[in-house]
Amino acid sequence: AQSVTQPDIHITVSEGASLELRCNYSYGATPYLFWYVQSPGQGLQLLLKYFSGDTLVQGIKGFEAEFKRSQSSFNLRKPSVHWSDAAEYFCAVAANSGYALNFGKGTSLLVTP
Amino acid sequence: DGGITQSPKYLFRKEGQNVTLSCEQNLNHDAMYWYRQDPGQGLRLIYYSQIVNDFQKGDIAEGYSVSREKKESFPLTVTSAQKNPTAFYLCASRRGFSEAFFGQGTRLTVV
Repeated sequence: AQSVTQPDIHITVSEGASLELRCNYSYGATPYLFWYVQSPGQGLQLLLKYFSGDTLVQGIKGFEAEFKRSQSSFNLRKPSVHWSDAAEYFCAVAANSGYALNFGKGTSLLVTP
Repeated sequence: DGGITQSPKYLFRKEGQNVTLSCEQNLNHDAMYWYRQDPGQGLRLIYYSQIVNDFQKGDIAEGYSVSREKKESFPLTVTSAQKNPTAFYLCASRRGFSEAFFGQGTRLTVV
């Protein structure tokens, strides 16, 4: 069965520290991969996406993600976290054009002073 | 500005009542989706539509219904058959291989 797993439900980091959020997927072929961020009571905003090509993709707000085919992973990273990065982060996967995105259960990020 | 508009932002439903959530997009996207979000559950797909006058059930369609009479609109009705409708509902649209764009959501509460 196709699935998306975000192993960490909650992560706490200090402001200025580096961040890595994990995402693993189980799909038959290389899918389309996305990371979204959600502030409380709001919709989802796209951080970055991977379709093909360079496996290291850059996104907005200083985020990047690396696609590793051998590990079926698409981990999100940021070198230095800001207090405004506190939010819920979702990894999503789509099998093909027009198909619905399949979401992980999310990782809640808390940033401490 | 192009985007997705969901209304209302907050909605209250009495027991046994049907309610309809509105979703309108002006992005000229063919595909539209409804997701339900509960704490710790991520986003779960209710229904989706890839073209006008056609839609498919998602993972949790029971107790919900949709229509797609216009490309821009994809309303979701929460029927009385949905026994636990309190949740945050998100509408999205997508063109081809692109990312999905989301509305700001509707929070539905049973009173």
